[in-house]
Amino acid sequence: EPEVTQTPSHQVTQMGQEVILRCVPISNHLYFYWYRQILGQKVEFLVSFYNNEISEKSEIFDDQFSVERPDGSNFTLKIRSTKLEDSAMYFCATAGDGNEKLFFGSGTQLSVL
Amino acid sequence: KNEVEQSPQNLTAQEGEFITINCSYSVGISALHWLQQHPGGGIVSLFMLSSGKKKHGRLIATINIQEKHSSLHITASHPRDSAVYICAVRRMGGGSNYKLTFGKGTLLTVNP
Repeated sequence: EPEVTQTPSHQVTQMGQEVILRCVPISNHLYFYWYRQILGQKVEFLVSFYNNEISEKSEIFDDQFSVERPDGSNFTLKIRSTKLEDSAMYFCATAGDGNEKLFFGSGTQLSVL
Repeated sequence: KNEVEQSPQNLTAQEGEFITINCSYSVGISALHWLQQHPGGGIVSLFMLSSGKKKHGRLIATINIQEKHSSLHITASHPRDSAVYICAVRRMGGGSNYKLTFGKGTLLTVNP
């Protein structure tokens, strides 16, 4: 089965530092999403991205967050100035069509110290 | 109150047992998803439902829109089914198809 690839699998950073989480979607997929899961809590939607722009974002996705698809393949989530509460598992997910099955990456565990 | 409630929170079964996990939601929805989260953290989409019933192998998912309730059944459970099962809903008029509201998950452990 096709895979969504996320890198790195683990990222440790100091508070205030910028981090970029990377996702390689399945090649013909057009819809891209980021979710996060704080340890012990439920998964939360962050942002959806289609046609090179954000189509929807949650209240969590504030000005510290940004997404882009810089080279037409990688899909990135940037956190400009990390806070302790940004520590979480971040999942990228992609779909070929808005109504098709959603494929998740294996996640990036972000730890902010 | 959570918009998506799952029960039970934890479930332990013996291999071969029939498993039912329930999901109730309090908002109007256009679709409901069942997801499986493996012990390592990876998430797999199992079903997307807007009505009726779907079956894939030993897994069956049903939804009753009027009662705002869905169930995930596993027949002939196996230790490899051990995982967290998550219900997530897309609200009516909720924009992106995958702007989902998630339940807290049900931890299933199937013992040999």
